Amino acid sequence: KQEVTQIPAALSVPEGENLVLNCSFTDSAIYNLQWFRQDPGKGLTSLLLIQSSQREQTSGRLNASLDKSSGRSTLYIAASQPGDSATYLCAVQAAGNKLTFGGGTRVLVKP
Amino acid sequence: DADVTQTPRNRITKTGKRIMLECSQTKGHDRMYWYRQDPGLGLRLIYYSFDVKDINKGEISDGYSVSRQAQAKFSLSLESAIPNQTALYFCATSDPARSPDTQYFGPGTRLTVL
Repeated sequence: KQEVTQIPAALSVPEGENLVLNCSFTDSAIYNLQWFRQDPGKGLTSLLLIQSSQREQTSGRLNASLDKSSGRSTLYIAASQPGDSATYLCAVQAAGNKLTFGGGTRVLVKP
Repeated sequence: DADVTQTPRNRITKTGKRIMLECSQTKGHDRMYWYRQDPGLGLRLIYYSFDVKDINKGEISDGYSVSRQAQAKFSLSLESAIPNQTALYFCATSDPARSPDTQYFGPGTRLTVL
């Protein structure tokens, strides 16, 4: 059974500092890995999707890496801003289009 | 207008009551999903439907039932609500014709069972 773990569970940084969020998974037989952002009262927004054949994806200040063999992904957010405060979830997709989610990292960026 | 909507957005009910959560989508997707989220546990799949005639149990289906009334509508029912069903519930849709088959999430329904 696939298990996805995110460490740390919560993170507080001053504005301008880079954020590093970690995700690990137990079964490397995945199709892709996604990073989502969750804001209170709103649904999940997909930030980045990395196919199993890819090593990384970038979008603006966000960069996500994937090391499938070791079961790890890292989301980097450069030059954090207060608007980056949210919960970040990673999820792996395997056969049957099922997503398995980690518990999330709650991020607070202080002005 | 939002592509995936959920009603109600918040609901407080009592133990033993029957509750229905509704999900509607305007994306024209065949696939729909129901998840629940508990603090620190991420989202867990309750039921999913790949088309109107195809309903499948997810990881934690006990105590829940679903109905796919049309391509655009997928309802989740709690036949007799219990306090440990207090959670945030999300509906999602996806289109298998697209690669990757990205899921799009509704805003969530916060359910409290007293």
